[in-house]
Amino acid sequence: QKEVEQNSGPLSVPEGAIASLNCTYSDRGSQSFFWYRQYSGKSPELIMFIYSNGDKEDGRFTAQLNKASQYVSLLIRDSQPSDSATYLCAVDTGNQFYFGTGTSLTVIP
Amino acid sequence: GAVVSQHPSWVICKSGTSVKIECRSLDFQATTMFWYRQFPKQSLMLMATSNEGSKATYEQGVEKDKFLINHASLTLSTLTVTSAHPEDSSFYICSAWDGYSNQPQHFGDGTRLSIL
Repeated sequence: QKEVEQNSGPLSVPEGAIASLNCTYSDRGSQSFFWYRQYSGKSPELIMFIYSNGDKEDGRFTAQLNKASQYVSLLIRDSQPSDSATYLCAVDTGNQFYFGTGTSLTVIP
Repeated sequence: GAVVSQHPSWVICKSGTSVKIECRSLDFQATTMFWYRQFPKQSLMLMATSNEGSKATYEQGVEKDKFLINHASLTLSTLTVTSAHPEDSSFYICSAWDGYSNQPQHFGDGTRLSIL
């Protein structure tokens, strides 16, 4: 079992819709959770981080963490074509960082 | 936000050449730096983790004698690809971490390496 798992997609949503990206992790002791966005040919950039159970909102982005179920998700409201990218989930277990393989998102105009 | 500078951004060189890539944390001290490689349409692959002043820890399958990593200061790590061959052509990305819990890795812009 991989430390961090994401559905590779591709996930396609129409412009203006909500895109939902999910990530599960295996280490119950994981402490910090991060979402990165990576455009094709570019390096990843940090979008959101979350440490506590519940929701954290930042503009059109909402990160949701459920430690009991060991999943973290990212919601993108009012999706725009510029949101089309690969989204990477990263987990800090306290000893090591683990990245998921990423979910490819396409927002269709 | 935290800034990580990586250069060169693009390198084209002949087979057999050694290439050095620098990664600098500009506004924080990076206790740990990570080096990744990414082939087209594939996910990030961690190559090695380096802690300042220590030898790097390489992931399985990564040749430490071919990919030399130096992390001599809290703001600079270098990756040298020795005797590069066409199969080493890839996108190399570094990231830096300040060592505190709840802090993210910050990525450099990456180096596109093309070996002819």
